[in-house]
Amino acid sequence: AQSVTQLDSHVSVSEGTPVLLRCNYSSSYSPSLFWYVQHPNKGLQLLLKYTSAATLVKGINGFEAEFKKSETSFHLTKPSAHMSDAAEYFCVVSDRIKAAGNKLTFGGGTRVLVKP
Amino acid sequence: DTEVTQTPKHLVMGMTNKKSLKCEQHMGHRAMYWYKQKAKKPPELMFVYSYEKLSINESVPSRFSPECPNSSLLNLHLHALQPEDSALYLCASSQDPSGYNEQFFGPGTRLTVL
Repeated sequence: AQSVTQLDSHVSVSEGTPVLLRCNYSSSYSPSLFWYVQHPNKGLQLLLKYTSAATLVKGINGFEAEFKKSETSFHLTKPSAHMSDAAEYFCVVSDRIKAAGNKLTFGGGTRVLVKP
Repeated sequence: DTEVTQTPKHLVMGMTNKKSLKCEQHMGHRAMYWYKQKAKKPPELMFVYSYEKLSINESVPSRFSPECPNSSLLNLHLHALQPEDSALYLCASSQDPSGYNEQFFGPGTRLTVL
């Protein structure tokens, strides 16, 4: 069984300061890990993914995440927050086994507020 | 074309109505998904189609009926819904059913059941 814990339900940052969103996971197999962003009343957009290549993954809009197997973590960071980063962020894990369908396990989400 | 489209964007229906949600992708993806998302919650998986066959049904009530007419299209037929079924319904697709590939999500259909 797999699970994902996003350690903060809300994060508030000032524009231009760093953003850190924390995610811990558990998985029986070697997982794929993803970060998705959802703006209000929109679908989910993929920010980045880890699938066993480099442990430091760069994504869109200046985001990056580091896979740490020993800590079972996949934290998301951005050096400088922009007002447009205000949204809900989901950490997601997928067990990389060939099955009848790809079942994703979502974290509870972190809502990011960016103050001017 | 790298997007998943969903129609309609908004739908209001009564408990006795029959309606359908439509999802389309032209990326050649062979797995497609329906999710339900309530406010301030992560999406919940409802159904998975793998190579046009229903492979996962997450114990969804029979008032929701999925259909995959071809590899590009996914429908969700709705009948006799309850007010608690009001939610954002998201469609997604992935290259194949394995866990290696990301899922691409559509913008969703906001459903209100009166």
